[in-house]
Amino acid sequence: EAGVAQSPRYKIIEKRQSVAFWCNPISGHATLYWYQQILGQGPKLLIQFQNNGVVDDSQLPKDRFSAERLKGVDSTLKIQPAKLEDSAVYLCASSLDDGAYNEQFFGPGTRLTVL
Amino acid sequence: GNSVTQMEGPVTLSEEAFLTINCTYTATGYPSLFWYVQYPGEGLQLLLKATKADDKGSNKGFEATYRKETTSFHLEKGSVQVSDSAVYFCALANFGNEKLTFGTGTRLTIIP
Repeated sequence: EAGVAQSPRYKIIEKRQSVAFWCNPISGHATLYWYQQILGQGPKLLIQFQNNGVVDDSQLPKDRFSAERLKGVDSTLKIQPAKLEDSAVYLCASSLDDGAYNEQFFGPGTRLTVL
Repeated sequence: GNSVTQMEGPVTLSEEAFLTINCTYTATGYPSLFWYVQYPGEGLQLLLKATKADDKGSNKGFEATYRKETTSFHLEKGSVQVSDSAVYFCALANFGNEKLTFGTGTRLTIIP
């Protein structure tokens, strides 16, 4: 079974530029998550989708971050404009949605460096 | 709100040593508790979990017991191997909500 795919794996941009990350979850997984992992910290949830609807985006900095999950499959996370403090690894995860607690499967992440 | 406090690293041990990584939590209700592992160059993987008090999660020789009275979920392994070198994250999720709250992670290095 293919895992969660993310691209690109690495991205270097200058502050005030825009950047987008892509995630393809495991087939059949209804729930998709984006996390931000700053160096030396644990992952922090940015946004959670169930199918193509947003469940939780309370920690998403909406003035610069946006995310969408069209058709309830792939998702993109965008930062516009980027700040130095956005340098982090952006993790995508997915899980089934069958009513019980479901394990989240993580992708390899995209490492963003903002100069 | 929810929070997880983990033993600070890095931790360096010799092969076959006993491992303990401490984890305590603060949460409302009765959360599920998890240990995730991140091997070099790989994504986060679930190592073990426990969903109620006194449950013991175990996998690959690692164990952790859900202690409600001490709000702890310490990770232990009796004899570590070089291949256990990784970053370990303690995490929790409230019942009915899959949102994970992670600790800061503990980097473990095992030397031969």
